[in-house]
Amino acid sequence: DTEVTQTPKHLVMGMTNKKSLKCEQHMGHRAMYWYKQKAKKPPELMFVYSYEKLSINESVPSRFSPECPNSSLLNLHLHALQPEDSALYLCASSQREGQNYGYTFGSGTRLTVV
Amino acid sequence: DAKTTQPPSMDCAEGRAANLPCNHSTISGNEYVYWYRQIHSQGPQYIIHGLKNNETNEMASLIITEDRKSSTLILPHATLRDTAVYYCIVRQNAGNMLTFGGGTRLMVKP
Repeated sequence: DTEVTQTPKHLVMGMTNKKSLKCEQHMGHRAMYWYKQKAKKPPELMFVYSYEKLSINESVPSRFSPECPNSSLLNLHLHALQPEDSALYLCASSQREGQNYGYTFGSGTRLTVV
Repeated sequence: DAKTTQPPSMDCAEGRAANLPCNHSTISGNEYVYWYRQIHSQGPQYIIHGLKNNETNEMASLIITEDRKSSTLILPHATLRDTAVYYCIVRQNAGNMLTFGGGTRLMVKP
């Protein structure tokens, strides 16, 4: 298995809802990432997990709450989002931390906040 | 962080080589150059990376100048499926972050 799987592919949620995005990989990768991508913009890093521990939070608002229950799974819990949070949310993984490891990206979850 | 400069868009005829330039004049000696591409509404896809030497794989070739201040990604025989945004990224020393810049929107035309 050489893929990063993200579910759901599309999500529409109200501003008072609580929802979760899921990301799964079975490549034995020990670093996992969340990126946010607005339309016609490059992806922006949100969070980095290394060996199931949060190592980087790029000053993301607390309405986004990441969780890494095990080495294969990464969640992003969403609560009280704003319409401007509508975007493509991308998950990625890499073997380890370090420069010489490429990232494998999932296809993303397209989130619409209404 | 070493920043990259890429042309915002390029066209290429189908079957011809696509040469995508990238400037990274402030790159440090031990920073890698990575190339990714993103086809519309999909996740970014790894293409190739290198440090000093030229690299080739089944997708592309990467040519890095001797002073390492610029590089060129070469798709030898572009197809319509190569239409995408191509990102040139210099990998930071600190941590393991992959930071995307503006990229080049490559349009392959019949």
